[in-house]
Amino acid sequence: EAGVAQSPRYKIIEKRQSVAFWCNPISGHATLYWYQQILGQGPKLLIQFQNNGVVDDSQLPKDRFSAERLKGVDSTLKIQPAKLEDSAVYLCASSSGGAYPRYTFGSGTRLTVV
Amino acid sequence: QQQVKQSPQSLIVQKGGIPIINCAYENTAFDYFPWYQQFPGKGPALLIAIRPDVSEKKEGRFTISFNKSAKQFSLHIMDSQPGDSATYFCAASSDGLSNTGNQFYFGTGTSLTVIP
Repeated sequence: EAGVAQSPRYKIIEKRQSVAFWCNPISGHATLYWYQQILGQGPKLLIQFQNNGVVDDSQLPKDRFSAERLKGVDSTLKIQPAKLEDSAVYLCASSSGGAYPRYTFGSGTRLTVV
Repeated sequence: QQQVKQSPQSLIVQKGGIPIINCAYENTAFDYFPWYQQFPGKGPALLIAIRPDVSEKKEGRFTISFNKSAKQFSLHIMDSQPGDSATYFCAASSDGLSNTGNQFYFGTGTSLTVIP
């Protein structure tokens, strides 16, 4: 089974610039998540999609962050404009259903804002 | 507010030792408790998970102990190896048996070092 694919792996931008991340979930996983993981901390949910609809975006800083999942498969997360505190690893995950859901993370995109 | 509290922050054990990582939660609606292992530069990977209807679950050298009344759960790693050196995260979710899945609330992580 192919894993969750993310790109790019690394990105360095200046503050106030914009950046976009891409995620391709595991085939057949209807639920897709974007998490932000600041160094030394656990992942924090930014947004959750069920197919191409948003289930939870309560922790997404909507003044600068946006995300979409067109056609219920791939997803993009955008930051515009970036701030220094956005430096983190952005993880995409997808989930199967069932009693013990398989919640699989991608390797993440490490963003450094300078 | 931290939904899941994890301790210790770091742990060093000798090869063959049994590191124990503890987590506590407050929300009684949580009904799914996974543990994730993360190596540097990689995303977290599911190790083992438990639901509140059992008090213990074993998979290979990894065991989860669950105490519903105390709202605590812990990860034990038997016969630990240097390759187990990683960061471990506990998590909790209230996804029930739905097919949609709800968000996971993660602990702050435990950095484990196993000395050869």
